[in-house]
Amino acid sequence: DAGVTQSPTHLIKTRGQQVTLRCSPKSGHDTVSWYQQALGQGPQFIFQYYEEEERQRGNFPDRFSGHQFPNYSSELNVNALLLGDSALYLCASSNVGGSGNEKLFFGSGTQLSVL
Amino acid sequence: DQQVKQNSPSLSVQEGRISILNCDYTNSMFDYFLWYKKYPAEGPTFLISISSIKDKNEDGRFTVFLNKSAKHLSLHIVPSQPGDSAVYFCAAKEWAGAQKLVFGQGTRLTINP
Repeated sequence: DAGVTQSPTHLIKTRGQQVTLRCSPKSGHDTVSWYQQALGQGPQFIFQYYEEEERQRGNFPDRFSGHQFPNYSSELNVNALLLGDSALYLCASSNVGGSGNEKLFFGSGTQLSVL
Repeated sequence: DQQVKQNSPSLSVQEGRISILNCDYTNSMFDYFLWYKKYPAEGPTFLISISSIKDKNEDGRFTVFLNKSAKHLSLHIVPSQPGDSAVYFCAAKEWAGAQKLVFGQGTRLTINP
């Protein structure tokens, strides 16, 4: 049973560019959340997707957007990259349709470096 | 505004002894607390959780204690093993089914042989 998979594992971009990160949730999961982990910090919630809609959002600007596909996979898009966007981007999946106390399962992340 | 704080960036413990990791929170709306463990090049993995209606939850070598009045929780690992060396994150959410986790900064635990 494959867990949460993310691609690519590493990415280097320059300021002003746009980037797309991808996530496939764990089998049986229908909800995807994205987190940003800056160096030396804990993960910070970006947003959550369920039923192909953004259901909850953290304190991130509109440059951060996402999408969820019918197969529950998800993309995170960041426009007009800033140096401060350099971080590890983590995808987490769960099954909201379950008992209500579902654990989040995290992928290994995409390390984004903005030069 | 850091709603969940882990004030010790690192902790070193001898193998076989007890490891105690601490976490403080400021948001009174938090109702459910979790600990995650993270190895290098891997995503965080769930370790143990506790609801605000309890003050203790135990799972094998891992016990989490919650002191609601002090807004403080701790993770005890007994006995500590070399494989426990990792970064530990404390996290909180406003209800058990919520998807948004608020994480602390993490504590790097090193278990020395």
